[in-house]
Amino acid sequence: DAKTTQPNSMESNEEEPVHLPCNHSTISGTDYIHWYRQLPSQGPEYVIHGLTSNVNNRMASLAIAEDRKSSTLILHRATLRDAAVYYCILRDLGNAGNMLTFGGGTRLMVKP
Amino acid sequence: DGGITQSPKYLFRKEGQNVTLSCEQNLNHDAMYWYRQDPGQGLRLIYYSQIVNDFQKGDIAEGYSVSREKKESFPLTVTSAQKNPTAFYLCASSIHGRAGELFFGEGSRLTVL
Repeated sequence: DAKTTQPNSMESNEEEPVHLPCNHSTISGTDYIHWYRQLPSQGPEYVIHGLTSNVNNRMASLAIAEDRKSSTLILHRATLRDAAVYYCILRDLGNAGNMLTFGGGTRLMVKP
Repeated sequence: DGGITQSPKYLFRKEGQNVTLSCEQNLNHDAMYWYRQDPGQGLRLIYYSQIVNDFQKGDIAEGYSVSREKKESFPLTVTSAQKNPTAFYLCASSIHGRAGELFFGEGSRLTVL
């Protein structure tokens, strides 16, 4: 399975934009890039996903490199409620399991 | 509202006992999954099921068992063969064959005394 690499932690100031990077150099053509976030003692929450084009939704934006070997989750204005662990995952529709493998993620700390 | 319900939220068990964690969804999703999470770690896949009466082992299936007799239910049994069962267990579901999101339950925290 293709794997992802993320920084262990990042810090941001409240009300400022946050760019969370993810490297996935072995991504295949059938891999979708998914982002989830997890608050302490809760299940992960879906944030956004994409294949090739940049994507926007009410929570965040996803910028995908042209060669698809990296992507960036963008939180436009960080709030204290955005403090969580953010996971970048590849979902392979060509895999019969159609499942997601989660790595360690990036712990985002937001300072008031 | 539609969603995934896991129970119990907290569970204590003595060594050598089997315990079953419940996972129910009313989203009409075909696929369901069980993950294990240890403190400060990511999620590891235990079992998954794409359709009723079928399931497959994930990365860490040893010491666990599942069943999928109904579309909405995917219980996980942690058996006495699981050497280190204390963990946070998460159930999820998705529409099979689609690239869309995974929906997670709130999790069950199992502690072995």
